[in-house]
Amino acid sequence: DVKVTQSSRYLVKRTGEKVFLECVQDMDHENMFWYRQDPGLGLRLIYFSYDVKMKEKGDIPEGYSVSREKKERFSLILESASTNQTSMYLCASSIRRVDNTEAFFGQGTRLTVV
Amino acid sequence: GESVGLHLPTLSVQEGDNSIINCAYSNSASDYFIWYKQESGKGPQFIIDIRSNMDKRQGQRVTVLLNKTVKHLSLQIAATQPGDSAVYFCVAKRRYSTLTFGKGTMLLVSP
Repeated sequence: DVKVTQSSRYLVKRTGEKVFLECVQDMDHENMFWYRQDPGLGLRLIYFSYDVKMKEKGDIPEGYSVSREKKERFSLILESASTNQTSMYLCASSIRRVDNTEAFFGQGTRLTVV
Repeated sequence: GESVGLHLPTLSVQEGDNSIINCAYSNSASDYFIWYKQESGKGPQFIIDIRSNMDKRQGQRVTVLLNKTVKHLSLQIAATQPGDSAVYFCVAKRRYSTLTFGKGTMLLVSP
């Protein structure tokens, strides 16, 4: 079974802190994604990566950055956390870019910024 | 990704009934239509997909119907069980695009 593991289930951080959310997948997938999920807004794509050391902006990249130094690991960075970044963060991976419909999601990290 | 919408935010059914979750999409150039299920406390999980050149596809207890004329997608769940209680997302996708999720429909199954 594909496993996508997010390092923390719950996080509480202070405004202005630098926050790292880590995600690891164990199936040698090419693609990795970061979404945030908010009530009434569904899932929104923040950043994605199709290969090591590459990244592309999703729909809401402002206030975030990412890092992919190894194929299996994709990190989401909040340079200076703000209260409007309180949300559920979901990492996902998929095997390929083209004609791919199945993404595998982690269990999510619920981040609260106070 | 493409924009998708849902007709009903919450659907309540009795255990054993058949459920139908509806979805409208906007981009007629979409190549794939996909359904995901998200149970409470978990990430979304792929259920079934259908290519744009098909109008029906069946899986285990699920059937997806695609009507391109009216840009409508539906997910039918046979003999709904309590374990089917979840939020369901439909996704319309082109070959090279990422997945764009709508707001979802919550399915509540009562015994």
